[in-house]
Amino acid sequence: DVKVTQSSRYLVKRTGEKVFLECVQDMDHENMFWYRQDPGLGLRLIYFSYDVKMKEKGDIPEGYSVSREKKERFSLILESASTNQTSMYLCASTSLSEAFFGQGTRLTVV
Amino acid sequence: GENVEQHPSTLSVQEGDSAVIKCTYSDSASNYFPWYKQELGKGPQLIIDIRSNVGEKKDQRIAVTLNKTAKHFSLHITETQPEDSAVYFCAASPDNYGQNFVFGPGTRLSVLP
Repeated sequence: DVKVTQSSRYLVKRTGEKVFLECVQDMDHENMFWYRQDPGLGLRLIYFSYDVKMKEKGDIPEGYSVSREKKERFSLILESASTNQTSMYLCASTSLSEAFFGQGTRLTVV
Repeated sequence: GENVEQHPSTLSVQEGDSAVIKCTYSDSASNYFPWYKQELGKGPQLIIDIRSNVGEKKDQRIAVTLNKTAKHFSLHITETQPEDSAVYFCAASPDNYGQNFVFGPGTRLSVLP
């Protein structure tokens, strides 16, 4: 059974904190993605990576960075969390056309 | 770039009735159209997809239709059951690669017993 695992289901952080969201996949996929999910806006792509140490900006990269040191792990970093980054964050990896999603991390920045 | 609209945003149906969710897209280069279902507390999961060389595809109680001329595609669920209650997302892409998926805003479907 394929799996994409996000390290936290819920997180509460303070404004200005550095926040790390971790994602691990066990399918040996090369492509991994971070999306942000907000009501009425669907899923918006923040960053993606098509190989170790490679990263590409998505549609809304501002305020975020990523790290991919190993093929199975893709981390999303909020350098200085702000209240407008309160959202649901979804990690995904893809095998050609199908995207496999993690269960999501609901981040609240106070 | 691509823009995907999805309607309705919420939909309530009685158990056993049919449900239809419609999406429109703007980029004529899009040729791959997946549908994802997100149950409460879970990530989205692919339920059906269609490519531009096909007008309709069925998988048991779900079907997807595509009209490339009008740039719209629809998800049809027949004989709805309570476990069909979820948020459904459509997406459009010019290829098979995930980085080019553009998702619609989602439809919250409630199937009432």
